[in-house]
Formats: sequence, C-alpha cells, structure tokens
Amino acid sequence: DVKVTQSSRYLVKRTGEKVFLECVQDMDHENMFWYRQDPGLGLRLIYFSYDVKMKEKGDIPEGYSVSREKKERFSLILESASTNQTSMYLCASSLTSADTQYFGPGTRLTVL
Amino acid sequence: QKEVEQDPGPLSVPEGAIVSLNCTYSNSAFQYFMWYRQYSRKGPELLMYTYSSGNKEDGRFTAQVDKSSKYISLFIRDSQPSDSATYLCAMNGNNRLAFGKGNQVVVIP
Repeated sequence: DVKVTQSSRYLVKRTGEKVFLECVQDMDHENMFWYRQDPGLGLRLIYFSYDVKMKEKGDIPEGYSVSREKKERFSLILESASTNQTSMYLCASSLTSADTQYFGPGTRLTVL
Repeated sequence: QKEVEQDPGPLSVPEGAIVSLNCTYSNSAFQYFMWYRQYSRKGPELLMYTYSSGNKEDGRFTAQVDKSSKYISLFIRDSQPSDSATYLCAMNGNNRLAFGKGNQVVVIP
C-alpha cells in the first residue's frame, strides 16, 4: 500500500511567520503534488514536482515555494504566512503525472 | 466553462437508499476517470478507477462512464452511515488530474 505522510495534522502560526509543511511518500513515486482545499473551491493545485530538484507551478503558486531535495520528500514553504493561507493542505504522489494520485492525511493550517 | 463540473450538494439519504453522484466534463482528452472518498478531516482516498466507457462494479459501488456525453456517475447501493463522506470525481488526460469540487453525502440511520 502506498503511504503518504505529512509532518503535522494541525498547525497554528502567526502572520509573517515562515512555515514549512513536509510530505514523505514510500512508494518511489516520481511525481509529488501540493494542493490546498477550501470549502466551495475544491482542490487547487499549488505546485508539483516530477523529479528531484524539479518543480512546476500549479494554479495558485503565489505566496508559496517548494523544495524537493530527495525523491521521497516534498516540502511546501510559506515564506511569510498570511491569514488568507489558512486552509487544509494536502500532499499527493503518483507514479506518473497522469496516474492515480495517493493523498496524505492533510495538514490543517491556521494563520492568526 | 470549468473542466469538471460536480454539484456540491449536500445530499442526504436514508440508510439503505441508492446514492447517485455525477460529474460532467468538457475536455475530450480525458481518458481516465476516478472517484475519491474523503472523510471529514482526512485526505481523499481512491475509491474507483476506470478508463473506458461502461460500468465497473466493486461491491456496493458502481462507476459509470459515458464518454460520448462526457458524463460520469457513481452509484452506491444499500447505503450505510459509514458512507457519509465527500465524494470527488477526478479525471486526467493532459498529464494532470482535474478534480470536481466534491459532493457531500450524508446517510441518515
């Protein structure tokens, strides 16, 4: 079974803080994704990566950056957290970019 | 027009009823179709996967794809309170998954 884990289930940060969200997958998948999920807006792709050190912007990359130094690990960075980044953040991985994606449990981030 | 349209609901049904969920899409390039189930405060989990027109059954769940109409459906027979969740459709064909917004289902005991 594919396992995708995220570093925190719940996180509370203050405006202006730098925030790191970590994701690890154990299935040697090439592709990893970061989404945010908000009521009424569904899943929105922030960034994805198809290889180590490679990244591509998704639909809403503003205010975020990512890092993929190792194949199994994909980090999402909020350089200066703002209240409008309060959301559920979901990491996913897949074997190929067109393949089924497997999701982690999510991190509910609150920015005060 | 959005690539994938899914009525967000919510949908409340009595236990034992048939649940019917639908998505429409506009991109003819979509080849693969998925349904995910997401329980409250959890990540989505893959429920059904299909790549051709027609029906696919898995226990109480049936996924239906009509590529000519660009329409997919998920049916849940003999619904249980444990089926209460949000169901998201997803599809790909351009090297990216496109998701519906999700449909919240509540099964009332």
